[in-house]
Amino acid sequence: EDKVVQSPLSLVVHEGDTVTLNCSYEVTNFRSLLWYKQEKKAPTFLFMLTSSGIEKKSGRLSSILDKKELFSILNITATQTGDSAIYLCAVALYNQGGKLIFGQGTELSVKP
Amino acid sequence: SAVISQKPSRDICQRGTSLTIQCQVDSQVTMMFWYRQQPGQSLTLIATANQGSEATYESGFVIDKFPISRPNLTFSTLTVSNMSPEDSSIYLCSLRDPRGGGGYNEQFFGPGTRLTVL
Repeated sequence: EDKVVQSPLSLVVHEGDTVTLNCSYEVTNFRSLLWYKQEKKAPTFLFMLTSSGIEKKSGRLSSILDKKELFSILNITATQTGDSAIYLCAVALYNQGGKLIFGQGTELSVKP
Repeated sequence: SAVISQKPSRDICQRGTSLTIQCQVDSQVTMMFWYRQQPGQSLTLIATANQGSEATYESGFVIDKFPISRPNLTFSTLTVSNMSPEDSSIYLCSLRDPRGGGGYNEQFFGPGTRLTVL
């Protein structure tokens, strides 16, 4: 059965801290891995990763994929209270149309 | 990316009734999807909304419970039929960015509909 597992499930940090969120997967026909930020209802797209070792970066957020070890990490540096959200990792498969398999999410809380 | 809107944003419904959720996109997209997020859970795909043909449902979801329409390339509806409290969830429509190349398409979500069934 295809599976995506995120850790930790929740995390509390203080502003300015750096956090690393983990996502591991066991799937057949891996196509890409996507990271989303969910604050209220709608997940907001952050990154899509398809190749190992190539870091994607956007401001204080960065992510990298390791297709050999089947995991990805999402780093957030100099965290701010506005980074508080649930971060979702999802995997897209070949031959599955647009189906995304989601992990449980990591709930990040950034305290002032 | 395409702009996605959903109506209603939220609703509170009585057990046994039905609710139709609309999803509108500002550009033509081939693939649209409907996801559900139950309280405290992650997202689960309900079905793929195919333009001009019946939707393709995932295991555990059936057309009688979640009928879907896709009359054109910019619009889709999901109906939650004969609702029970277990249907209380966030319902999200989603699409793959039509500009993606090589089969690697980013996927975006609408603002969601928060449904509470009493």
